[in-house]
Amino acid sequence: GQNIDQPTEMTATEGAIVQINCTYQTSGFNGLFWYQQHAGEAPTFLSYNVLDGLEEKGRFSSFLSRSKGYSYLLLKELQMKDSASYLCAVVDSNYQLIWGAGTKLIIKP
Amino acid sequence: ETGVTQTPRHLVMGMTNKKSLKCEQHLGHNAMYWYKQSAKKPLELMFVYNFKEQTENNSVPSRFSPECPNSSHLFLHLHTLQPEDSALYLCASSHTGQGEGNVLTFGAGSRLTVL
Repeated sequence: GQNIDQPTEMTATEGAIVQINCTYQTSGFNGLFWYQQHAGEAPTFLSYNVLDGLEEKGRFSSFLSRSKGYSYLLLKELQMKDSASYLCAVVDSNYQLIWGAGTKLIIKP
Repeated sequence: ETGVTQTPRHLVMGMTNKKSLKCEQHLGHNAMYWYKQSAKKPLELMFVYNFKEQTENNSVPSRFSPECPNSSHLFLHLHTLQPEDSALYLCASSHTGQGEGNVLTFGAGSRLTVL
């Protein structure tokens, strides 16, 4: 079967750095997405990785290692507004999106 | 309005009721989706429409019936639901078919409670 693993919940401090990991076992790979979802709101696109390496976008960076079936989302200079769920999703060989259950990130002052 | 709009935002219904969820997108996208989101579970894809044609139906019970009259509007008709159908129902759209590097734009969802 296909599987995406993410931690269920993480806690971090305002101003700090946090890394949210995502490991996947899928039938093929055609890219990996990260989405952010605030409570009661729509998921919104954060990043898309299809090649190995680090993609940086402001305070957020996303890393991919296809050989290890692994990605992480790195959030720097954490702000209270970063409290949200972060969803990892992989595009498989049939171009179907396989979703993780999401990581709830709690930011404390 | 821009983006993806879903109505109603909240819905409570009995098991014998008939109701509909509505989704509208003003992004010029050609693909629209219904997802079910339950607490601590991955998003479950229910239906996909591409250029108004249904291209995916992921073994969804017939008590859920989608309708896509045009590429901007999507409905989910609900009939004789079960309590386990209580969840957040998300609509999304994208330029073309799912997963081809195309970003999904989601609505805020319709929170459904079945009594």
